[in-house]
Amino acid sequence: DQQVKQNSPSLSVQEGRISILNCDYTNSMFDYFLWYKKYPAEGPTFLISISSIKDKNEDGRFTVFLNKSAKHLSLHIVPSQPGDSAVYFCAAGTSGTYKYIFGTGTRLKVLA
Amino acid sequence: DAGITQSPRHKVTETGTPVTLRCHQTENHRYMYWYRQDPGHGLRLIHYSYGVKDTDKGEVSDGYSVSRSKTEDFLLTLESATSSQTSVYFCAISELAGPTDTQYFGPGTRLTVL
Repeated sequence: DQQVKQNSPSLSVQEGRISILNCDYTNSMFDYFLWYKKYPAEGPTFLISISSIKDKNEDGRFTVFLNKSAKHLSLHIVPSQPGDSAVYFCAAGTSGTYKYIFGTGTRLKVLA
Repeated sequence: DAGITQSPRHKVTETGTPVTLRCHQTENHRYMYWYRQDPGHGLRLIHYSYGVKDTDKGEVSDGYSVSRSKTEDFLLTLESATSSQTSVYFCAISELAGPTDTQYFGPGTRLTVL
């Protein structure tokens, strides 16, 4: 049973526009959420995170929104740049435990 | 960049042979993880370690074993490789436990089992 779901395997966006990547989770015990970015032939790298006590966290062009009642989070990238083209994984976990669960990933392509 | 290396980076082997993948870190982080990445499944945790000689199972541990005799090294062994273990394997490290601490990933090992 996939506890963290990214239902869009791919997304294409024009350079300069907003990219919105979505993630849904089922486990109500999750209280911390992260986004990782992965380029081909490299390991994932941390992008941004949010605690369940917040509903928004912003870091430069990247903003993560959390809707706890809907068990949904989204990553907004504004403005999108060609260098943002990568696979984005969301992950969720519970404080006090050792690990977190990753989603299946969304491949973002930013068109120049 | 966190100092994490994985070896080998690529390996082709035959069904039934043993395979060991190595993860080496220079960050002195306590926690180490092995994941596999497969299309349609994302990243799935195989095993993790919370200290020297302290390890535990993840989501997909069947067919895999691990060992950690030194802080810096975390080994993943496939005792008898099967074609279903063809995958890209990533090692990760973190200083603290749990989701509030960032995990840093190695470059990955692409394993093909024929």
